[in-house]
Amino acid sequence: EVQLVESGGGLVQPGGSLRLSCAASGFTFSDHYMDWVRQAPGKGLEWVGRTRNKANSYTTEYAASVKGRFTISRDDSKNSLYLQMNSLKTEDTAVYYCARLQGGSGYWGQGTLVTVSS
Amino acid sequence: AIRMTQSPSSFSASTGDRVTITCRASQGISSYLAWYQQKPGKAPKLLIYAASTLQSGVPSRFSGSGSGTDFTLTISCLQSEDFATYYCQQYYSYPLTFGQGTKVEIK
Repeated sequence: EVQLVESGGGLVQPGGSLRLSCAASGFTFSDHYMDWVRQAPGKGLEWVGRTRNKANSYTTEYAASVKGRFTISRDDSKNSLYLQMNSLKTEDTAVYYCARLQGGSGYWGQGTLVTVSS
Repeated sequence: AIRMTQSPSSFSASTGDRVTITCRASQGISSYLAWYQQKPGKAPKLLIYAASTLQSGVPSRFSGSGSGTDFTLTISCLQSEDFATYYCQQYYSYPLTFGQGTKVEIK
């Protein structure tokens, strides 16, 4: 069974940084592209970005709203995905989901809440 | 970025109704479309991928159709557990984008 478990959310001040983690199990993590998706309170879903697998040089894609501030990385030896968030803004407040969306596969974690507020 | 527009944004329906939600892409996406169901406080659940392929374990009352720019999600006989918000998502090109959501409420 595919399982994705996020951690690392919390309260951070505007301009601050936070690193989210996602522990994956139940599938061969290293084979797959992995995504981060967020959902602001009461709003819809927004894709944040993706990391490809080793075969595709771990290249990344980002939404325009986070490009240059957020960095996605992975550690295949630990079956883990990361989201480093810098220069956080109040509008980054959201539940952040780790997901495997490649090819329409549609696996999601339970999400972790990030609140950016002074 | 490809814009995904769902209609309606919300509506009320009764158990047993046949309901249809539409999703329009701002440019052609072939069949690279997924449909998700989300309930409050929960992660989205995949219903349909490749526009019309039912995800394993999803009841057959759910169906999807369309290609190119126009897509539909149909629930043939609405059940109480189907009251939720539904999202379409294209995976044809980056950035991946979602529709704004359609909330199905109890009449």
